Amino acid sequence: AQSVTQLDSHVSVSEGTPVLLRCNYSSSYSPSLFWYVQHPNKGLQLLLKYTSAATLVKGINGFEAEFKKSETSFHLTKPSAHMSDAAEYFCVVSIYTGGGNKLTFGTGTQLKVEL
Amino acid sequence: EAQVTQNPRYLITVTGKKLTVTCSQNMNHEYMSWYRQDPGLGLRQIYYSMNVEVTDKGDVPEGYKVSRKEKRNFPLILESPSPNQTSLYFCATGDRPWETQYFGPGTRLLVL
Repeated sequence: AQSVTQLDSHVSVSEGTPVLLRCNYSSSYSPSLFWYVQHPNKGLQLLLKYTSAATLVKGINGFEAEFKKSETSFHLTKPSAHMSDAAEYFCVVSIYTGGGNKLTFGTGTQLKVEL
Repeated sequence: EAQVTQNPRYLITVTGKKLTVTCSQNMNHEYMSWYRQDPGLGLRQIYYSMNVEVTDKGDVPEGYKVSRKEKRNFPLILESPSPNQTSLYFCATGDRPWETQYFGPGTRLLVL
């Protein structure tokens, strides 16, 4: 069975400091992995995705993530947080199940950015 | 303009009264899926459809039905809604499940 675990439900950083949102996955097959962001009262937007190409993936708004197979991790980072980054972030895994592809979301990490 | 539309956006109903939430996309995507979002639980996939011929259960299909008669539409049907189906529902579409998913604006459902 596939699953994805976001290790922190809430992360608080100061503006201008680095951001680290942690995600671990479990899968019997080679996964596709994504990070989505949801701003308050808005829909979800793709930040970045890993689909078995380069292990370091760059996304929008300065975010990037590194796929580490040995650690089954796909942590999201940004060198310098901005107030507009305050949102909820979801790590997602897509796995072929034989009948099709399911998408499993983590429970989310709420990022707070303080002045 | 590329769009995923859901209707209605807000719905208050009573236990047992059948309802349908529609989802439509104009991007010619093959893959469509439904999710419910509950506090502390993230989004959970209800059903997905690989294409008009293949539809399968996600992680929380109980109490829901779907239909994919044509490529652009993927309605979610609650035959007999119950209060535990009160939630925020999202439809999503993508060319393939391992590609970018585009989410609709959400439907907030309250079952009394």
